[in-house]
Amino acid sequence: DSGVTQTPKHLITATGQRVTLRCSPRSGDLSVYWYQQSLDQGLQFLIQYYNGEERAKGNILERFSAQQFPDLHSELNLSSLELGDSALYFCASSVSGRGGGYTFGSGTRLTVV
Amino acid sequence: AQSVSQHNHHVILSEAASLELGCNYSYGGTVNLFWYVQYPGQHLQLLLKYFSGDPLVKGIKGFEAEFIKSKFSFNLRKPSVQWSDTAEYFCAVAYGGSQGNLIFGKGTKLSVKP
Repeated sequence: DSGVTQTPKHLITATGQRVTLRCSPRSGDLSVYWYQQSLDQGLQFLIQYYNGEERAKGNILERFSAQQFPDLHSELNLSSLELGDSALYFCASSVSGRGGGYTFGSGTRLTVV
Repeated sequence: AQSVSQHNHHVILSEAASLELGCNYSYGGTVNLFWYVQYPGQHLQLLLKYFSGDPLVKGIKGFEAEFIKSKFSFNLRKPSVQWSDTAEYFCAVAYGGSQGNLIFGKGTKLSVKP
């Protein structure tokens, strides 16, 4: 157990639907990162939050959005889902949000059918 | 654009063989360098990291990596692999001035035959 908790572990949904992935960071960590892992693209950085505020944005589609709540948990919302959105979505957390060394959660496997 | 290249897609070794996995990154000034491992069905775990100082970094499970600035490389090594090292290995870079988000290589799958 890494201390970063992601739910659900698996999600199967239909095209056009909307889903929400949840991440609870390790205790004491203020920064949350979201990554997408797919076979063709590898691990792609989506977005980072630090203490409730958006810090950095990567290759995140407009159909995707995220937020970090006052209790520091984060949610990634994926809407108008397409087959190509099927992937493993990882959350990671760190104390400072700088430097890059952080702890990953176990991921949510999203399958869009 | 900033990028990370891992030379080998799949490496197959016998137990006790030595391992070296290549990693190169594109120039971007100051960097922090990482190797992560992902065992089948599990999350990514940090093997080792380099921020500054001694370019030879020792990590967990007997792994080490050497930062060669002139070659923009950060190769991972292990003198003698075990079957339990079968996993996927990812090199990652955080560029100086970034907010800490990592750029990952595509990964190298290591299969160790018993």
